[in-house]
Formats: sequence, C-alpha cells, structure tokens
Amino acid sequence: LAKTTQPISMDSYEGQEVNITCSHNNIATNDYITWYQQFPSQGPRFIIQGYKTKVTNEVASLFIPADRKSSTLSLPRVSLSDTAVYYCLVGRHNTNAGKSTFGDGTTLTVKP
Amino acid sequence: EAGVAQSPRYKIIEKRQSVAFWCNPISGHATLYWYQQILGQGPKLLIQFQNNGVVDDSQLPKDRFSAERLKGVDSTLKIQPAKLEDSAVYLCASSDSGTGGDTQYFGPGTRLTVL
Repeated sequence: LAKTTQPISMDSYEGQEVNITCSHNNIATNDYITWYQQFPSQGPRFIIQGYKTKVTNEVASLFIPADRKSSTLSLPRVSLSDTAVYYCLVGRHNTNAGKSTFGDGTTLTVKP
Repeated sequence: EAGVAQSPRYKIIEKRQSVAFWCNPISGHATLYWYQQILGQGPKLLIQFQNNGVVDDSQLPKDRFSAERLKGVDSTLKIQPAKLEDSAVYLCASSDSGTGGDTQYFGPGTRLTVL
C-alpha cells in the first residue's frame, strides 16, 4: 500500500500557476497516480490520472519523473473557484485488489 | 451519464439508535466503495465491493457497521448502534473494471450527526 505525502496547505493568487507535489516513495510497478479535488459539502472529484511522464487534460497537467517516486499536479491560471482540497492517490487496477488510501490532502486557497 | 446517487443527504440521530444509508452506483460499475470522512480529514475506506463480493473491509468496525450489495448494484451501509464518534460524512463511490488506475466517482455523501 503506497503511502503519500503532500503539503497540508498552499496559498496562491488568481491567475497564477499552482504546483502541488506528492511524494510516494514506495510506489509499485503497477500503481497509477490519481488526483482528486474536493469542495466543501461535496464528494471528491477526479481531476487527472497518469502512470509516467506527463499527462494533460482540459483542467490540469500531471508531471511524473522517471523514478515515479513523486508527482506534481499543475493547475494553470487558478481562479477563486479552484479553492479546494486536493488529494493524491496511488493505487493499481481495482481487480488486483490494489488499495489506495486518501491522506489528508492539500488545502489550496486562491486569493483575489 | 447519471452519477452516483446517495440518500439521505442528511441524518440526525441520537446515540445508540440505528441508521442506514443507500447508494446507487454509476450503471455498469462493478466496484463500489463506502468511505467515512470526518471533518478536516481525508476519506477513510470502510468497505470495497467487487460486484457483490467484499474485496476489503479491514477498516470496517464490524461490531456496529454492516454493508451489503445485493445483486451487485445498489448498496446499503448500516450503523447499529451509533456512537458520537460516528458523526461524519459517508461517501459512496464506484469505478469500472477497465484497465488502468482506480478512478473513482463519488456521490454527494450523507452527513450524519449523532447527538
């Protein structure tokens, strides 16, 4: 079971790029890295997932170095609505009974 | 595509009472999860089903919590009797069994307050 470590909180300003790094030193070969976003009074929402190198979608990019022991979620030009808790999960395909555990996440506060 | 449905959204009970939560996953999703999220903490996995079989229930307090997933679709989570420390949001999530990582889709949760 891969343990993840993230900063507890981060502050940013509107329009800036935000990078949140997650450490997962004991990631296994078959593990994927998934990031979720959670607003108050809502369930977590999938943002992005990757296995290696770089993945980009319409809302974020995910950078994974060659050793895969860490990953960085990049949010371009954040707005006030990006204020939320961000969770990094490491786990494998569910039919392998891989288990991924949520930590306490990173609380991102975007200021005007 | 309809998302994960949960009911009720809110529930207030007194300690030692019983309570049940219901979850309807995304159609076709074989895997269903129940999480407990205490205020200020990340979600904690209580139980994971693959179809109607249990994959992981290692963190489920089995003396008071029970869960079932009949016919591999809907699921119910029950607490009997409730304690003050059970006050939390109970989240249901589902995922399909395709290749790749474990991408979970969450419902809105049920906020339980135990008085």
